[in-house]
Amino acid sequence: RKEVEQDPGPFNVPEGATVAFNCTYSNSASQSFFWYRQDCRKEPKLLMSVYSSGNEDGRFTAQLNRASQYISLLIRDSKLSDSATYLCVVNMAPSGGSYIPTFGRGTSLIVHP
Amino acid sequence: DAGVIQSPRHEVTEMGQEVTLRCKPISGHDYLFWYRQTMMRGLELLIYFNNNVPIDDSGMPEDRFSAKMPNASFSTLKIQPSEPRDSAVYFCASSRGQMGTEAFFGQGTRLTVV
Repeated sequence: RKEVEQDPGPFNVPEGATVAFNCTYSNSASQSFFWYRQDCRKEPKLLMSVYSSGNEDGRFTAQLNRASQYISLLIRDSKLSDSATYLCVVNMAPSGGSYIPTFGRGTSLIVHP
Repeated sequence: DAGVIQSPRHEVTEMGQEVTLRCKPISGHDYLFWYRQTMMRGLELLIYFNNNVPIDDSGMPEDRFSAKMPNASFSTLKIQPSEPRDSAVYFCASSRGQMGTEAFFGQGTRLTVV
């Protein structure tokens, strides 16, 4: 079983739609959680951190459920410019060592006019 | 700060040749990560350093791969000899501390081995 799992998609939605991505992780001792965005042929960049109480940044809302080992990202009022791959990232410590960023395979989002 | 700097941006080489990828992390960051990204496997961690010391290289695919970090501002990933299946985008990333901090990525090196 992969340590961080995501539905690869693609999610194909019209402008203005609301779309949600989910991510599950295997290591219950994981400490930090992030969503990154990766545009085609570019490097991953931080979109937002995910806090235990849930957090919002404009049209983006992230939530964490530690009991279910589950993270979500909600995008409201989708824009064409939101088209990208969204990577779920979990800082986990394999075998009690250092916490390292472990990436999911990413979920592809295509927003069309 | 200029961010994480990688070179070269693109590399095309023939099978059997040695390839060296370079990375300059963000100043003050004590963790450096090398990742490889392919369509089939996504982003895979190859090796990471803490304070210039290699901590975990279990992701390095085979002995043909080696990485060094001679000082806090420079790291290399070397493939010798290279093979077509090594073709991928190689990213270097750095972070400060570990648990709660984000990793910053360089622009990557797109390697093609023919």
